[in-house]
Amino acid sequence: DGGITQSPKYLFRKEGQNVTLSCEQNLNHDAMYWYRQDPGQGLRLIYYSQIVNDFQKGDIAEGYSVSREKKESFPLTVTSAQKNPTAFYLCASNPGVRLNTEAFFGQGTRLTVV
Amino acid sequence: KQEVTQIPAALSVPEGENLVLNCSFTDSAIYNLQWFRQDPGKGLTSLLLIQSSQREQTSGRLNASLDKSSGRSTLYIAASQPGDSATYLCAEVGAGSYQLTFGKGTKLSVIP
Repeated sequence: DGGITQSPKYLFRKEGQNVTLSCEQNLNHDAMYWYRQDPGQGLRLIYYSQIVNDFQKGDIAEGYSVSREKKESFPLTVTSAQKNPTAFYLCASNPGVRLNTEAFFGQGTRLTVV
Repeated sequence: KQEVTQIPAALSVPEGENLVLNCSFTDSAIYNLQWFRQDPGKGLTSLLLIQSSQREQTSGRLNASLDKSSGRSTLYIAASQPGDSATYLCAEVGAGSYQLTFGKGTKLSVIP
C-alpha cells in the first residue's frame, strides 16, 4: 500500500530533551511538509522540503529542525528550544512543489511533554 | 497574509439532511483549494481538490464549488449519514505559494 507513515503514534518527552518524529512516504513524491495542529488554531506549517537535501522554514520553525537526506524520509526534531511542544504533528507530501495535485497526510504523532 | 475562515465552527444535523459547509479566503490569486476530512485523533483525508480554473468538483455525495470573485468555497454533502461525522477542513494554495493555508475547520455531527 502506498502512503505516508508517521511514527510513533504517541510520544512523551521530558522537558529539556530533544525528540525526533519519523515520516516516511512510498509515493515517490518530491515535496514533503510538517504541520503542527493545536486545538482552536488549525494547522500551521513548520518546515517543508521541495527536493532532497533542501528544505525551507515555514511559519513556526523556531525550536524545530529537519533533514531530507532521502526522498522518502523527512524526520522532524523537536528541540529543547521549543517552549510549548505539546501538540499533534502531521506530515504531508505532494507529487510536485506547486501543490497542483492533492496533498496526502500521515496519521499524525501526538507529542506530550511530561 | 492569506487567511482562511470556516463558519460555523460546529454543526449538528439529523441524518438524511443535505448540508453546506462554508469556506472563505482572502487571497484573490488563489491557485487551488482542497477540502479534507479529519476524524478524531487521526490525520487528514483528502476529499476534493478544485483548481483555480474550475468552478466545482464532485465525488459521490460530495460537491465542492469555488467562487474566486467572492472568495468563497462550499462543500455540499447530500443525504448526510452518521458516518459523515468528522471535522471538515478547507485549505488554499495561493499563487506563488508553496504551502496550504488552512481554516480551523467545521466539526460536523450527523444525528441518527
